[in-house]
Amino acid sequence: DAGVIQSPRHEVTEMGQEVTLRCKPISGHNSLFWYRQTMMRGLELLIYFNNNVPIDDSGMPEDRFSAKMPNASFSTLKIQPSEPRDSAVYFCASSLVTGGADTQYFGPGTRLTVL
Amino acid sequence: KNQVEQSPQSLIILEGKNCTLQCNYTVSPFSNLRWYKQDTGRGPVSLTIMTFSENTKSNGRYTATLDADTKQSSLHITASQLSDSASYICVVSAETGANNLFFGTGTRLTVIP
Repeated sequence: DAGVIQSPRHEVTEMGQEVTLRCKPISGHNSLFWYRQTMMRGLELLIYFNNNVPIDDSGMPEDRFSAKMPNASFSTLKIQPSEPRDSAVYFCASSLVTGGADTQYFGPGTRLTVL
Repeated sequence: KNQVEQSPQSLIILEGKNCTLQCNYTVSPFSNLRWYKQDTGRGPVSLTIMTFSENTKSNGRYTATLDADTKQSSLHITASQLSDSASYICVVSAETGANNLFFGTGTRLTVIP
């Protein structure tokens, strides 16, 4: 298996533009997670899905952020409009089941820079 | 308040030496504790996962300990290698489910020849 795939790996955009980050989880995994990582705040869980259904989006910073999972093999995280403070590395992770002691497998991340 | 604190923030050691990283938490009720290794420019990789009843777990040269009474965990690295240079992140889950994850800010380990 190729592992969790994210695209793009790097994104540079201007303030106010729409940004879409993409994730393909490991085949057969039922749970998908979006994280954000910055130097100041470390890793933060934004939202997670179980069987394509959003379970908890309490980590989403504000209405400018939205995430979808139309099927078991694809998810998007959208920021509209983007702001410089959104600059961070965004990780997608997947696991066989949600929570408990199940291992989450992380993708390589998308480094977002908003100018 | 649920928190996870790691120490030290950064550490430099000579290749071949051992080291121990600390994680203290106030998360309650406790479900499990995970240690991740994150190489520069990559996503975190799980090293160990420990539940309440486990107090030691090993993964090669990595050994994690957990004291649920004092709410402390440590990650011991034996005979360090240059490839151990990375950030090590402690993550504590409250109850069950991913919606109650609390992250430490990590320890940056540098192994020098």
